[in-house]
Amino acid sequence: ETGVTQTPRHLVMGMTNKKSLKCEQHLGHNAMYWYKQSAKKPLELMFVYSLEERVENNSVPSRFSPECPNSSHLFLHLHTLQPEDSALYLCASSSGGTSPLHFGNGTRLTVT
Amino acid sequence: RKEVEQDPGPFNVPEGATVAFNCTYSNSASQSFFWYRQDCRKEPKLLMSVYSSGNEDGRFTAQLNRASQYISLLIRDSKLSDSATYLCVVNPGGSYIPTFGRGTSLIVHP
Repeated sequence: ETGVTQTPRHLVMGMTNKKSLKCEQHLGHNAMYWYKQSAKKPLELMFVYSLEERVENNSVPSRFSPECPNSSHLFLHLHTLQPEDSALYLCASSSGGTSPLHFGNGTRLTVT
Repeated sequence: RKEVEQDPGPFNVPEGATVAFNCTYSNSASQSFFWYRQDCRKEPKLLMSVYSSGNEDGRFTAQLNRASQYISLLIRDSKLSDSATYLCVVNPGGSYIPTFGRGTSLIVHP
């Protein structure tokens, strides 16, 4: 298996639920990213893990919690989300520096 | 000035037309540049890297002008399947965090 794999592809959850998004990369990259893309809006960087260090966008609410147990796996833990959190959540990886990002297929999240 | 700026379009062109997009960036220390393609409700996919000497991949040509701080993408002989949003991406030096433009929408019609 190659590339960046995200699961689940679709997720519907209520505002009181707790769920997790999973991302796995098989490219030997050392940086992983979470992006959010709301309908007809640009990509919004949420979190970056590089060499097991975490960089985050300070505007991301605490109801989103990332976890990066190793350089190949990345999770986004979700709890008490709001309807405005409904969006496409994209995972990406890169070798860092001057290298491009490679994206997974995304998880389309709907919060009811 | 925004870090990476693109004309959002849409660019509405007939099949077979040649269309060009520009993207300007503000960080003169930027080291690498890319064009991505994003179809509706899908993930962005790397279209091509942009090299200082310019580079071509089939019908697509990318160029970099460091002096004026812009990159361009030229699409020749447009196909219906080229309809998408094209994202300009700039990597600053010494950072893992690239900057994405907001994208340029292209619609190719019969």
